Amino acid sequence: DAGVIQSPRHEVTEMGQEVTLRCKPISGHNSLFWYRQTMMRGLELLIYFNNNVPIDDSGMPEDRFSAKMPNASFSTLKIQPSEPRDSAVYFCASTLALGNSPLHFGNGTRLTVT
Amino acid sequence: AQSVTQLDSQVPVFEEAPVELRCNYSSSVSVYLFWYVQYPNQGLQLLLKYLSGSTLVKGINGFEAEFNKSQTSFHLRKPSVHISDTAEYFCAVTSTGFQKLVFGTGTRLLVSP
Repeated sequence: DAGVIQSPRHEVTEMGQEVTLRCKPISGHNSLFWYRQTMMRGLELLIYFNNNVPIDDSGMPEDRFSAKMPNASFSTLKIQPSEPRDSAVYFCASTLALGNSPLHFGNGTRLTVT
Repeated sequence: AQSVTQLDSQVPVFEEAPVELRCNYSSSVSVYLFWYVQYPNQGLQLLLKYLSGSTLVKGINGFEAEFNKSQTSFHLRKPSVHISDTAEYFCAVTSTGFQKLVFGTGTRLLVSP
């Protein structure tokens, strides 16, 4: 089991550029989550999917953020255009089932927007 | 809606000493409770979870936690810490009818020789 795989590990971009973060959940998991972690706000849930369908995107900060899950093995989080305040570590997590199953986190993507 | 409060942002402790990391939650319904650990430059890993049954839950790396419904607490303990336990620890709660897993703000455990 390779775990949740995120790419890239680090991303440095200039303000205004489009950024795409990628996630491959654990095979067989049917729920996927995107979190953002900063020193100021801690861990924030951005959006989560169940069976590839977005269930709750109320944590997505602005229309500049969008997430897709075209199939059970892949998800993207896109920021367009990016801003310096988007700098954070973005985590993807998956779980077998909503409820009492624990989340399995990837190692995150550290995004720096200059 | 649930919420989680981790009262201590940082806990310094000497190696081989006991430690307790505090977590209080609020919820109007039955809950599932979790502790996760985050090592530098890594994602969160599950330490232990309380779903039902015995209120004393044992996890990995010698950690345990006790669910106290009357005090709405789920404190994490270890009788003797190691340098390698230095990390950030997050308490989290979700309801039995799951929606979001709500995380606390984290407690940084600093173990020194």
